[in-house]
Amino acid sequence: KAGVTQTPRYLIKTRGQQVTLSCSPISGHRSVSWYQQTPGQGLQFLFEYFSETQRNKGNFPGRFSGRQFSNSRSEMNVSTLELGDSALYLCASSATSGSGYNEQFFGPGTRLTVL
Amino acid sequence: GNSVTQMEGPVTLSEEAFLTINCTYTATGYPSLFWYVQYPGEGLQLLLKATKADDKGSNKGFEATYRKETTSFHLEKGSVQVSDSAVYFCALTLNSGGSNYKLTFGKGTLLTVNP
Repeated sequence: KAGVTQTPRYLIKTRGQQVTLSCSPISGHRSVSWYQQTPGQGLQFLFEYFSETQRNKGNFPGRFSGRQFSNSRSEMNVSTLELGDSALYLCASSATSGSGYNEQFFGPGTRLTVL
Repeated sequence: GNSVTQMEGPVTLSEEAFLTINCTYTATGYPSLFWYVQYPGEGLQLLLKATKADDKGSNKGFEATYRKETTSFHLEKGSVQVSDSAVYFCALTLNSGGSNYKLTFGKGTLLTVNP
């Protein structure tokens, strides 16, 4: 079974631009979560999607948005990039949305550098 | 709110030394607890988990026991190898209230094992 894939793996942008990152979950997984990893703040939850609906959002400005398609693939978009948006963006998928423990499987991440 | 505190790194050990990485948590509810590992240039991999009090998670020689009375989940390994060099993250997720998809991470501990 293929793991979580993220594209692109590396990205360089300049301030003010926007960027779109893509995540393909493990086949059959319907929940996709996004995390931002920086040296200063560590790993922070961005948002989670299930069945094309955003169920919750972390404490990030509105410049960060996402969506999920009917095949469970997800994209996240960052508009008006700032230097502080430079980070590793990780996507994770899980199998169900029910209560109780659901293991999340992480992709390799997209390394975004904002110049 | 929920939070995870883990020991500051970096931790440097010689091969075959004993490893302990401390982790304590605060949670409003009954969390599941995890240790994730991140090797250089890669995403996160689940190392082990425990979903209820007194459970012991174990994998690849690593162990951690869910201690509700001390709100702790310390990671241990009896004899580390050079290949264990990585960043280790303690994390939790709640098992109810629709929050089981959201992982709250500690800051991470860099482990370097020298031959």
